[in-house]
Amino acid sequence: GAGVSQSPSNKVTEKGKDVELRCDPISGHTALYWYRQSLGQGLEFLIYFQGNSAPDKSGLPSDRFSAERTGGSVSTLTIQRTQQEDSAVYLCASSLPQPPTGGLPTDTQYFGPGTRLTVL
Amino acid sequence: RKEVEQDPGPFNVPEGATVAFNCTYSNSASQSFFWYRQDCRKEPKLLMSVYSSGNEDGRFTAQLNRASQYISLLIRDSKLSDSATYLCVVNFANSGYALNFGKGTSLLVTP
Repeated sequence: GAGVSQSPSNKVTEKGKDVELRCDPISGHTALYWYRQSLGQGLEFLIYFQGNSAPDKSGLPSDRFSAERTGGSVSTLTIQRTQQEDSAVYLCASSLPQPPTGGLPTDTQYFGPGTRLTVL
Repeated sequence: RKEVEQDPGPFNVPEGATVAFNCTYSNSASQSFFWYRQDCRKEPKLLMSVYSSGNEDGRFTAQLNRASQYISLLIRDSKLSDSATYLCVVNFANSGYALNFGKGTSLLVTP
């Protein structure tokens, strides 16, 4: 079936502009995550949505970053007044919800191809 | 201190070699452990989950040592197609469902 899709695949913007990145999760996956990967760095968690629960925003680096998920499906990550340090690949992942219990793994997170953001 | 640490490599090995990657994590309350594979300019993909008793999937063997907070991945009979970055991933019990990634270990398998 269809995997996680993201758009645009590449985005070049000027410093100070706002950008919106979109994620379409796998159908039926109620959990959705945003991560970013800067050059030479590991993936960094940004935000997590699960169903109708309040999102976990603990990873957002500043108040310029926000995300929403409408109708429990598509999500949009918005970065306001972009800075050069925002340049990174922004990855979205989705999974079936499964709380971690004991030593069992959480359900697999499937990643989209990412949006490569370049802030000039 | 980085929460998930890996040797960045690169590891350059000939085809057919056995190679091992190590990973340490800082949060003793960690609950779930994985190895992901990431090809150049591609998204990460799950290679295998890591179970407490250790587990094997074909040429790949994963081990977990909770006492030492250490995870390993062993690749036997390396193939050219194994060339990629291998990411050690941990779910910390106090961070909900978010995954914590190491920076990855780069592997290059040469003919």
